[in-house]
Amino acid sequence: QSALTQPASVSGSAGQSITISCTGTSSDVGTYSLVSWYQQHPDKAPKLIIYEDNKRPSGLPSRFSASKSGNTASLTISGLQPEDEADYYCCSYAGPGTSLYVFGTGTTVTVL
Amino acid sequence: QVQLQESGPGLLKSSETLSLTCTVFGGSIMSDGYYWSWIRQHPGKGLEWIGYIYNTRIPYYSLSLESRLSISVDTSKNQFSLKLTSVTAADTAVYFCARDRGANEHAFEIWGRGTMVTVSS
Repeated sequence: QSALTQPASVSGSAGQSITISCTGTSSDVGTYSLVSWYQQHPDKAPKLIIYEDNKRPSGLPSRFSASKSGNTASLTISGLQPEDEADYYCCSYAGPGTSLYVFGTGTTVTVL
Repeated sequence: QVQLQESGPGLLKSSETLSLTCTVFGGSIMSDGYYWSWIRQHPGKGLEWIGYIYNTRIPYYSLSLESRLSISVDTSKNQFSLKLTSVTAADTAVYFCARDRGANEHAFEIWGRGTMVTVSS
């Protein structure tokens, strides 16, 4: 069971929009509507920002949005803020008979 | 507001057994329908799900670790624990405990701060 593929890094200027892709397979991302996204600042625990492909937890800024097409999920941050500089990980449920949850390789977002 | 806190030895030697505990504050580990997970992060690397225990009694382990891993619950202490046998340097990582959102949404909503575990040879 391989990790989901994410770009190693993405950057953008404050106020711009960026998109992070997360590519899996037809056995995980493509089958289950259970992709979640996490934001992790240095030396901190990850924070859930998206669940069930495109749902935001209450209180999360609306500038975070997500979508999915086939085996690829995407996270978009609109109106990039300095505090958005962090690592981002996607994760997909992969079902019984597997290691259940597969994380992405992670993307470092830099705010220029 | 549920909070989680990991505890355990920061350093152990190869071939020893790693024992970590996650204490649940502000809620009950016996609350129905939640998955209580362990997730680790190797230094400078990504996240790896290790295993969970569901409804205090049903464990499920990562296929790569299931021969060495066990997860259990102590309801009297409101804790769940991880035991990983025969550790090697490859088990050096930050270990997080986490709880999902419930309702089979399979997303890790609440995380502990993590505890660093170093395995020396």
